[in-house]
Amino acid sequence: QKEVEQDPGPLSVPEGAIVSLNCTYSNSAFQYFMWYRQYSRKGPELLMYTYSSGNKEDGRFTAQVDKSSKYISLFIRDSQPSDSATYLCAIRDNYGQNFVFGPGTRLSVLP
Amino acid sequence: DVKVTQSSRYLVKRTGEKVFLECVQDMDHENMFWYRQDPGLGLRLIYFSYDVKMKEKGDIPEGYSVSREKKERFSLILESASTNQTSMYLCASSLVPGPPKQPQHFGDGTRLSIL
Repeated sequence: QKEVEQDPGPLSVPEGAIVSLNCTYSNSAFQYFMWYRQYSRKGPELLMYTYSSGNKEDGRFTAQVDKSSKYISLFIRDSQPSDSATYLCAIRDNYGQNFVFGPGTRLSVLP
Repeated sequence: DVKVTQSSRYLVKRTGEKVFLECVQDMDHENMFWYRQDPGLGLRLIYFSYDVKMKEKGDIPEGYSVSREKKERFSLILESASTNQTSMYLCASSLVPGPPKQPQHFGDGTRLSIL
């Protein structure tokens, strides 16, 4: 079993839709949870991070963590064509410098 | 604005060649990282460095080495390139203590093909 699983998509939605992106993980030692956005031919950029169960909101983006189910989500409200990108989850334990990335979900928001 | 610059966007090399990938950051970051990104596998850490002349192995260091002689520059070396090292290579840097409290800033990647 991979440490972090993520549906690769592609996921296509109409502009204005609510998007839900998800990851599951296997190691209960993971404490930090991050979402990165990667545009085509660019490096990833950090969108949000959290280290506790519950929700964290930043503008149109909400990160949700359920440690009991080992499940994290990123919600995008009022999606825009500029949100079209690959979204990567990344998870880290409390000790190491390293962390584990999911394979990414490719999202297309259609105008 | 932090800038991480990778010397080449596209590179084609032959099996057995020694290949150098260069990365420079302009924000005095202590940490620097090399990843490879493959479809369906996500980013995998090859090596990282938290100071000049210091290096730590990541998840997949075999077949690679690194060099950090100056704080701003981190080089990835493929000692004898093989076709299974064809991939997208991404360099990143961050302040201590590193992600997520100090986010990584990524370069735009080098797409390396080994023929």
